[in-house]
Amino acid sequence: AQSVAQPEDQVNVAEGNPLTVKCTYSVSGNPYLFWYVQYPNRGLQFLLKYITGDNLVKGSYGFEAEFNKSQTSFHLKKPSALVSDSALYFCAVRDDTDKLIFGTGTRLQVFP
Amino acid sequence: DSGVTQTPKHLITATGQRVTLRCSPRSGDLSVYWYQQSLDQGLQFLIQYYNGEERAKGNILERFSAQQFPDLHSELNLSSLELGDSALYFCASSVSEVGVGELFFGEGSRLTVL
Repeated sequence: AQSVAQPEDQVNVAEGNPLTVKCTYSVSGNPYLFWYVQYPNRGLQFLLKYITGDNLVKGSYGFEAEFNKSQTSFHLKKPSALVSDSALYFCAVRDDTDKLIFGTGTRLQVFP
Repeated sequence: DSGVTQTPKHLITATGQRVTLRCSPRSGDLSVYWYQQSLDQGLQFLIQYYNGEERAKGNILERFSAQQFPDLHSELNLSSLELGDSALYFCASSVSEVGVGELFFGEGSRLTVL
């Protein structure tokens, strides 16, 4: 069965430093991978997706994600973190019945 | 604003009761998804409808049911409520039937069962 894992419950980073939020996946066939962000008391918002093509995917708010097939990873990155990036981040994969399966989420805390 | 509207935003009820959560998808979106978010279970897929027809089913309890109406709005019915049903229920919509497009989420309905 398709699944995603987010090994870190929380990531702490200082403002201005690069950030990485990790995600690994398990799928049969080609993976369709997504990142979503959830701000407090809000619904999830789409950040970016990988369907095919370049391994480096650029998304909203300066975020990007690197698809690595050999490591079955799809880590979310940003070169310079902002305090306003503090939120809950979800990695997701499309399963073979075409629904999105979400990871458990990683809370990103950016300190001034 | 995602364009997806969910009502009510907050709901407090007692065990054994029945509630209905409503979702209006973005204009033009044919697919509606329901997710349950709780602290211990994370974000769990419940059910998907596409243009009025059930498309996919996830971890939805038999006490829960949903439907999508001809105007494409959807309702999630939760009955015989238990304390463990307390959660944030999200509706999302997308234009496509398959999960290659992004989902647009509403702000959720927070259900508290006392």
